[in-house]
Amino acid sequence: GENVEQHPSTLSVQEGDSAVIKCTYSDSASNYFPWYKQELGKRPQLIIDIRSNVGEKKDQRIAVTLNKTAKHFSLHITETQPEDSAVYFCAAIPQGGSEKLVFGKGTKLTVNP
Amino acid sequence: DAGVIQSPRHEVTEMGQEVTLRCKPISGHDYLFWYRQTMMRGLELLIYFNNNVPIDDSGMPEDRFSAKMPNASFSTLKIQPSEPRDSAVYFCASSSTGGGSGNTIYFGEGSWLTVV
Repeated sequence: GENVEQHPSTLSVQEGDSAVIKCTYSDSASNYFPWYKQELGKRPQLIIDIRSNVGEKKDQRIAVTLNKTAKHFSLHITETQPEDSAVYFCAAIPQGGSEKLVFGKGTKLTVNP
Repeated sequence: DAGVIQSPRHEVTEMGQEVTLRCKPISGHDYLFWYRQTMMRGLELLIYFNNNVPIDDSGMPEDRFSAKMPNASFSTLKIQPSEPRDSAVYFCASSSTGGGSGNTIYFGEGSWLTVV
């Protein structure tokens, strides 16, 4: 089955700096890679996703890149703000009819004012 | 739309008691997922349903756990008997089609379970 590794587990940056979170996956057939943000005590919420036929996707200050050959994808947050502080989860879902999202262990991002 | 609705939001129960968690998915969504979140294991998929039918329950930890979806607007996750290691946040989520087709999976607020 699919296995998703996520690094780092914690990340602390200064307000205005960029933050990068990286994930690797094991199943080369995986074709959909969402990122979820979970604030303390809240539910995970989708912030951006990318499909396997696209190498990069941007939405304002966040972007995701995908390298299918290396089987890794990354979340980039620019001009970080304190409200970006949260736990971020990457996920992957294999092709072939399964609907099982497999999540990474999460990255706790702290943006210091 | 009110989103995915879960109850109870918080539950504290004694070891050995039965626990029932409830979920109402977003209207029109065909897929319903039950996830468990702990510090040690992260977000784990327990089971998911498509059109009220259980499709994959390989994540259900053991026979003490059971899930049902009697109709399109209601699902339950039951733990009997409960144990302290079952303490976790249990999320219900739904999707208009499976997450693999790129449709967003929407999570409920979660049920925070503590077994003492």
